[in-house]
Amino acid sequence: SQQGEEDPQALSIQEGENATMNCSYKTSINNLQWYRQNSGRGLVHLILIRSNEREKHSGRLRVTLDTSKKSSSLLITASRAADTASYFCATDADSGAGSYQLTFGKGTKLSVIP
Amino acid sequence: EAQVTQNPRYLITVTGKKLTVTCSQNMNHEYMSWYRQDPGLGLRQIYYSMNVEVTDKGDVPEGYKVSRKEKRNFPLILESPSPNQTSLYFCASSSGTGGDNSPLHFGNGTRLTVT
Repeated sequence: SQQGEEDPQALSIQEGENATMNCSYKTSINNLQWYRQNSGRGLVHLILIRSNEREKHSGRLRVTLDTSKKSSSLLITASRAADTASYFCATDADSGAGSYQLTFGKGTKLSVIP
Repeated sequence: EAQVTQNPRYLITVTGKKLTVTCSQNMNHEYMSWYRQDPGLGLRQIYYSMNVEVTDKGDVPEGYKVSRKEKRNFPLILESPSPNQTSLYFCASSSGTGGDNSPLHFGNGTRLTVT
């Protein structure tokens, strides 16, 4: 089934720097979502971008979507140690009869060093 | 507080001993889903449910059963667990159909070890 792939797999930065994570997917989508997961905990929804949107902001988060390249990026500005987590993109896939299922990539593990 | 509650948080069992992981949500969501998370493989969907008495297979349904008798509960059943089902399991719910413009709300996970 369709799946997003995040890049890089791991990213280590200093506190205060910006972090950029990328997601590529294979087929057309209706929307793309980004989630965050603290170690061993449940995923938390961060932001959703629709296929007709190119950019979206939420606090220190900026998400872009390029449907022609089938890719998205998540930018976290002025990172903090508390941003240390894994970040996942999720894309919808038509599972038939009008039902869409989210499929997740393998995630980018972000470490922010104080 | 709006939440998805899974129990137990940790479970160690032996091969072949039937077990149930419970999941309950208090948001009146129609959509619920189970995922497993394994290193290097990301999250994979096991089963999902669009509404009461409506369940469908996800990507990795083998060895699992689910039921949706009430809107709030969506238990995951392993009739005869095997070591390859050792994993971190997540239940999630949504007000939409699971892939529309509705975010998923996740439980805190159940770490299952089958020896």
